[in-house]
Amino acid sequence: EIVLTQSPATLSLSPGERAILSCRASQSISSFLAWYQQKPGQTPRLLMYDASKRATGIPARFSGSGSGTDFTLTISSLEPEDFAVYYCQQRTNWPADFTFGPGTKVDIK
Amino acid sequence: EVQLVESGGGLVQPGRSLRLSCAASGFTFGDYAMSWVRQAPGKGLEWVGFIRSKAFGGTTEYAASVKGRFTISRDDSKSIAYLQMNSLTAEDAGVYSCNRVGYASGRYYFFDYWGQGTLVTVSS
Repeated sequence: EIVLTQSPATLSLSPGERAILSCRASQSISSFLAWYQQKPGQTPRLLMYDASKRATGIPARFSGSGSGTDFTLTISSLEPEDFAVYYCQQRTNWPADFTFGPGTKVDIK
Repeated sequence: EVQLVESGGGLVQPGRSLRLSCAASGFTFGDYAMSWVRQAPGKGLEWVGFIRSKAFGGTTEYAASVKGRFTISRDDSKSIAYLQMNSLTAEDAGVYSCNRVGYASGRYYFFDYWGQGTLVTVSS
């Protein structure tokens, strides 16, 4: 079973600052990693897939990087609507299993 | 526009059953694998299971926590996915959302569209 660990658990920042979120896999997952954003009262929204590809409609201030076991989601300049919880996610083929990290909450400082 | 609309949630007693539905529109439903993800109140995301498209056999996979109790099915003629939940316990409570499984780099592995979710409460 591949475990995803996210850090920090909470990131307190001000609008306009840069946010750097980390996701670490317990074993190599190549670049098969996705990131999601979840706002209170909403279901998640896909931000990134293949570690670094933005999903449809995602602003350019969001970027992803990494491969193997270490991944990063960067928000270059936080907008008020970016304060939310962010999850990383991967899938193993055998046994078939989709796993999420525990999430990083980005809140307003 | 892709839309996924869940229904069927509600209050159910422990040990009883419930069936959720996910009505899809805006894409060719039969071409995609569909999945269910749940979230207990104040907790993180947990994958429940998924069903492949008919082109890949229409087979299903489940998380260990629900295997043998939950069943996912699909009706491509109606563009609906179902989640049949049996022997429910308090640990199964939460918001259940259906998702379209996205494909990239030769692999189906992420969720590119999510429904708004339906709340399941398990209590006597």
